[in-house]
Amino acid sequence: EVQLVQSGAEVKKPGESLKISCKASGYVFASYWIGWVRQMPGKGLEWMGIIYPGDSDSRYSPSFQGQVTISADKSISTAYLQWSSLKASDTAMYYCARVSDQYYFDYWGQGTLVTVSS
Amino acid sequence: EIVLTQSPGTLSLSPGERATLSCRASQSVSSGYLAWYQQKPGQAPRLLIYGASSRATGIPDRFSGIGSGTDFTLTISRLEPEDFAVYYCQQYGSLLTFGGGTKVEIK
Repeated sequence: EVQLVQSGAEVKKPGESLKISCKASGYVFASYWIGWVRQMPGKGLEWMGIIYPGDSDSRYSPSFQGQVTISADKSISTAYLQWSSLKASDTAMYYCARVSDQYYFDYWGQGTLVTVSS
Repeated sequence: EIVLTQSPGTLSLSPGERATLSCRASQSVSSGYLAWYQQKPGQAPRLLIYGASSRATGIPDRFSGIGSGTDFTLTISRLEPEDFAVYYCQQYGSLLTFGGGTKVEIK
């Protein structure tokens, strides 16, 4: 059974750094792209970027390029999303999701709520 | 970047009625790389339809998708109480994008 289990909720201050995780199981982690999706409070879904854990090739939405870093450690089947300096506008729910061969998201994590507030 | 426009923003219907949701792309979506998701409050999105018309595993046959090029439709033939939710379309062109969502609410 494919499962994506994300790290827990975070409360941070503006300017702090953060790295959240998404641990995969039930499939060959290195063989599928995995992506991150943002959902701001009361808003829709926004694709942030994807990474191929097999070779760490990554692609970013223009809206998020340079704002976040996506990485993966295939030895522990875990993908990461990180910020070097958080802003209040980064407050949102963040989902990881596996990308199928037709580039739809077939399995989703439960979400990680990030709250940035002074 | 391909922009997806979903309409209507909100659909107010009663259980048992038919729901028709539209997703229009700013450019042609290649090879039917169009998916639909359902999201209920407090839950992660769930894949409903991929390849424009193929139901994902475990999705009831009251959900159907059709379309090609720039116009796609998700139809729920008879709304069940558990179908009231927000629905998103998503495409892969050169990049992935989501539509803004359609909320199906109880009338």
